[in-house]
Formats: sequence, C-alpha cells, structure tokens
Amino acid sequence: DAGVIQSPRHEVTEMGQEVTLRCKPISGHNSLFWYRQTMMRGLELLIYFNNNVPIDDSGMPEDRFSAKMPNASFSTLKIQPSEPRDSAVYFCASSFQREGREQYFGPGTRLTVT
Amino acid sequence: GENVEQHPSTLSVQEGDSAVIKCTYSDSASNYFPWYKQELGKRPQLIIDIRSNVGEKKDQRIAVTLNKTAKHFSLHITETQPEDSAVYFCAADTGFQKLVFGTGTRLLVSP
Repeated sequence: DAGVIQSPRHEVTEMGQEVTLRCKPISGHNSLFWYRQTMMRGLELLIYFNNNVPIDDSGMPEDRFSAKMPNASFSTLKIQPSEPRDSAVYFCASSFQREGREQYFGPGTRLTVT
Repeated sequence: GENVEQHPSTLSVQEGDSAVIKCTYSDSASNYFPWYKQELGKRPQLIIDIRSNVGEKKDQRIAVTLNKTAKHFSLHITETQPEDSAVYFCAADTGFQKLVFGTGTRLLVSP
C-alpha cells in the first residue's frame, strides 16, 4: 500500500489567496483526520471524518477553514482567505476503526502564507 | 474535554542510557494511549500503544506503563541509540478515535 498520500507537499501563497490541501487515505480505512502542527501549538486535530461523515470539527480554527470528504478515497482542506498565521504543516491521517486505532499519517503539506 | 500534559519538553541522554517520558491525562474515560515518534521533517509514526485494560507493554527496547488511578502513563526507552533522537508525542483517546496529543518531548541521544 502506498500509505496516506497528500498533495501538494509544499505550498507558498500570498495572504488572501485560497489554499486547497488534498488527501488520499489508505484504501479500506474508514476514518480520516486533519491535523495542524506548529511550534507554538503543537499537533492539533482540526476535523475528523468517519465513513465520509464529519464527526467532530471543533478544532477548526474559524470559518475560513472548511473540509470535505466526497468519497472514501479523497478529502480536501480549504483555507479561504489564507493568512500568515495559517503557516504550518498540515497532516492527514487515516485509520480503520475496527482494527485497533492506529492512525497512519501522511507526509504532510508545509504551508507558507506570506 | 481531554487535556494531556507531557514532560519533559527536552531530554538529553548519553548513548546506552535509559530515557523516560511522562504524560498525564484528565479524562478518566480515555482508554487508549499511543506514543508517536517524529523525526525531523518527517511524519509522526506510532511506536507503541497501550489500552486501559493493560498496565504495561513492551516491545524490544521500548515499554509503556499505564496507571489509570493516577491518570498517567510513561514511555521508557532502554539502551538508547543515536537513531532514537526525535520528538516523541503521547496521546489519549477518549473514544471515537479522537486523539489529544501532548506537547512533545525532544529526545537527544549523544554518542
């Protein structure tokens, strides 16, 4: 298995622009998680889906952030408009709920907003 | 909600020494406690986990202990090697797979 796939790996954008991060979970996994990692705040859960349904989005910082999971093999995290404080590494992770709870992380997207 | 505290934030040891990282959690409903290792510029990867019905678990040089009464759990690494240098995160799962992570411990193993 290729593991969790994220794209792009690096994104540099200007403040005010829309940013879309993409994730393909491991085939067969039914839970998907979006995390944000910064030096100041550590690793934060933004939102997670189970069977394509958003279960908990309490970690989404504000309305500028939105996430979708239109099918079992694809999810997006969108920031519109982006701000410099959104600069971070964004990880997607997936797991198969019935077989223990190990979450497999993708390689991350390093976002820089100037 | 759940809150996980992790100590120390940095830990320096000599190769061959043992390293211990401690975490406490607040929600007594938490029942799953994984530990992740993150090397510089890489993704977090699970190294060991423990469930609430177990007090200790070992995997070669790594062990985790859990004290549910005191609501704390610890990671023990014996015979440390330079390749153990990384940031280690503990986490707690209150159910529904929602993990709350500690703030991380930067472990440096000097040759």
